[in-house]
Amino acid sequence: NAGVTQTPKFQVLKTGQSMTLQCAQDMNHEYMSWYRQDPGMGLRLIHYSVGAGITDQGEVPNGYNVSRSTTEDFPLRLLSAAPSQTSVYFCASSYSPGGGTDTQYFGPGTRLTVL
Amino acid sequence: AQSVAQPEDQVNVAEGNPLTVKCTYSVSGNPYLFWYVQYPNRGLQFLLKYITGDNLVKGSYGFEAEFNKSQTSFHPKKPSALVSDSALYFCAAYSLYGNNRLAFGKGNQVVVIP
Repeated sequence: NAGVTQTPKFQVLKTGQSMTLQCAQDMNHEYMSWYRQDPGMGLRLIHYSVGAGITDQGEVPNGYNVSRSTTEDFPLRLLSAAPSQTSVYFCASSYSPGGGTDTQYFGPGTRLTVL
Repeated sequence: AQSVAQPEDQVNVAEGNPLTVKCTYSVSGNPYLFWYVQYPNRGLQFLLKYITGDNLVKGSYGFEAEFNKSQTSFHPKKPSALVSDSALYFCAAYSLYGNNRLAFGKGNQVVVIP
């Protein structure tokens, strides 16, 4: 049981490049989400999904896309990277589709730098 | 919408002394409250939670917290801090009557001094 896995661990992009951050969980969790962590700002929700085929925007969705074709995978796409997207990105999952009613399981994070 | 306040950016405590991390919340209806801990260069790990029932909850790593509805607070406490407790601590709150988002505080950096 690997839990929540994220790839890559580190990434450097140039402004304007696109990329996909991968997230997978093997716990059959309904709810999955993406957060970004910036110093002094805590965790901010980017996008979330309450089940396969269902996604919705969080607090800071601009510049990011998501899809949920399977229960296990929830990739985050940066469409055209900007320096403001330099951050640490965490994927999380929980059993309940209610989002915040259940313990979240976090991946190890992806540290992204946009030059 | 729900919100969380963690008033102290950093908490310094001597090893062996009591450790308290503070969190107050604002939600509509009954809150779901969580604490997570982040060790250096790691993801967040679950520490403890209050959903319903007994106001005193026990969590991981020797922490316990009391849910105080009148003061809208949920502060984890540990009677004797260890150097290994040095980490970033996050409080989070959710409500069924909110915007379907788990709101995180800005985090408390705990430094335990040997």
